[in-house]
Amino acid sequence: ETGVTQSPTHLIKTRGQQVTLRCSSQSGHNTVSWYQQALGQGPQFIFQYYREEENGRGNFPPRFSGLQFPNYSSELNVNALELDDSALYLCASSLGLTLSTDTQYFGPGTRLTVL
Amino acid sequence: AQSVTQLDSQVPVFEEAPVELRCNYSSSVSVYLFWYVQYPNQGLQLLLKYLSGSTLVKSINGFEAEFNKSQTSFHLRKPSVHISDTAEYFCAVSSMDSSYKLIFGSGTRLLVRP
Repeated sequence: ETGVTQSPTHLIKTRGQQVTLRCSSQSGHNTVSWYQQALGQGPQFIFQYYREEENGRGNFPPRFSGLQFPNYSSELNVNALELDDSALYLCASSLGLTLSTDTQYFGPGTRLTVL
Repeated sequence: AQSVTQLDSQVPVFEEAPVELRCNYSSSVSVYLFWYVQYPNQGLQLLLKYLSGSTLVKSINGFEAEFNKSQTSFHLRKPSVHISDTAEYFCAVSSMDSSYKLIFGSGTRLLVRP
């Protein structure tokens, strides 16, 4: 157990809809990162939040957005869903900003299916 | 930019046999290197990491990996595997100048048979 939880476990949406995925980090962890893991692939970095501000972003369009709250919870929002958005979405929390000193603890993920 | 290649999508081995999971990376800057393990229906767990210093790093459950700069590799090894080691293993890198994100390989499924 990593102490990071995600909800819901599974979700089915149709193309064009919007979705919100939720993550609860370990208490005291100021950083949350989100990754997309397509079937048969490794996770791809979407973005990272540090103390409620976006700190870095991968190659994902603006329809992927996020929020981080003071209570160590966070959200990933995806607008105008496309079929290719079907994937496992992982969140990971850590104390600080750099992976050289801090370990990222991953949640079990949310499986999103877009029909 | 960085990239990670895990050439073996699946590695079947018998219990108590040795195993090596291969990882090669490409980067124009210095990197940190990681191995993560993903058990079914669980999140990724850090197995071991190389930051600097000794090129051989070890985990608490018998895995080890060696950083080879000239071959840009970070292969994972275990001298004797158990059924419980069956899982997906991901190699990842993070550049030292923007070490907030991980770049993952496509993963290797280790299947340990009795």
